[in-house]
Formats: sequence, structure tokens, C-alpha cells
Amino acid sequence: DQQVKQNSPSLSVQEGRISILNCDYTNSMFDYFLWYKKYPAEGPTFLISISSIKDKNEDGRFTVFLNKSAKHLSLHIVPSQPGDSAVYFCAASARIKAAGNKLTFGGGTRVLVKP
Amino acid sequence: NAGVMQNPRHLVRRRGQEARLRCSPMKGHSHVYWYRQLPEEGLKFMVYLQKENIIDESGMPKERFSAEFPKEGPSILRIQQVVRGDSAAYFCASSRMHPLDPTEAFFGQGTRLTVV
Repeated sequence: DQQVKQNSPSLSVQEGRISILNCDYTNSMFDYFLWYKKYPAEGPTFLISISSIKDKNEDGRFTVFLNKSAKHLSLHIVPSQPGDSAVYFCAASARIKAAGNKLTFGGGTRVLVKP
Repeated sequence: NAGVMQNPRHLVRRRGQEARLRCSPMKGHSHVYWYRQLPEEGLKFMVYLQKENIIDESGMPKERFSAEFPKEGPSILRIQQVVRGDSAAYFCASSRMHPLDPTEAFFGQGTRLTVV
């Protein structure tokens, strides 16, 4: 049972345009969401996060939107740059004490930004 | 301020051998998580440890896999009698956790295990 899903395995976008990555979740206990970026042969790097008490969080070129009623979040990258080409993972956490920061990941979306 | 350190980066084992993967968390972090990534898949949670305690091992296979985080030294993920299906990238993450302040988990570069 996949609790976090990224339905688009890949995305190709022109440099300078907007990249929109989508993520859906099913577990209502999730209350904290994160996006990670991963290059080949490296570990995931934290990008941006959002708590369930917010519906938007912005950090430079990256904005995450959360729609709790739809159990959907999205990551917007604008403008996209060639260095953004990587695999992006959506992750969710239920901050129950015993669960700590245990993360449930989606399957990833491979982004290619064309010059 | 060193990040999460994992070693070795690459490990090749023959079927039936043991694999030991090490993880040193970031300074000040006392929570360690192990994740496994099979080819073309996302990361899957395996185990969550604090110093000398296993808090959540719900993602660990029932047999051959064990983890520890001793009082001194790195966290160790141990796989006994490896099989080809154990070939994967194993990532360790660490965090500090304040109950009122959500914090992110920071990942190491991973250990790529190949079973031949």
C-alpha cells in the first residue's frame, strides 16, 4: 500500500520555465511534508518542507503548496535551471513521538531541464 | 560541521557473506534512520534508532537484518547471509528532534551494496 505517490515518473522542461511536481498521499496522520532532491550516486538533499498548518511555503525559486482536503502537495520551481536536473522525492512524516522523523517517500520524479 | 558519514561507499559481497554498513550521524544528532532504495524505486524506511535503543524496526526484514546504535561509535546495519535481492543503495539519515520544532532528516551519501 503506497501511502505517498508521485504519479509522474519524469518531467522535461525548458530552462527558464516553471517545473511543477505533484505528490498525493493517503495517510491522514501525515502532518509534515518534505521535498528532497537527489543526484545519481548521492544521498537525498533536503529542499523545502511544509507543516500541515500551512498551505504554502516559499524559499527562493522553490514553493511548496499543500491542499489537505485533497491530500495533495506540489513543488514549483521557477525559473528552472539546468542544475535542477535531478530526481525529486516527496516525503511525509507523522510527528507522533515514537515515529520520530521517520519518512515515507514517494517513488520520485526525474526532472530534466533543457538549456 | 561534517555531514552524515557513511562507509563504505561501495561494498561487494558474495552470496552467503555478511555485509556491515556504517553510519556516523551529524554532530548533535542522536536519531538515526536507515533507508533502502532498490533500483528505480523510492526510499523505503527500514529502522529508526536512538543511542542504544531501537525505536521502530517496522521496515526491517524479519530475518538476516539487524541494526544497532551503540553508546560510542557509529550505527551499524548488518546483513547476514546476503542474497542477490539485497543489492541496493542503503542510506542513513540523522536528525535532532525537538517536539515543537519540526526538523529535517539529513542523509549520507549511501552505501551501494552489490551481491554477486
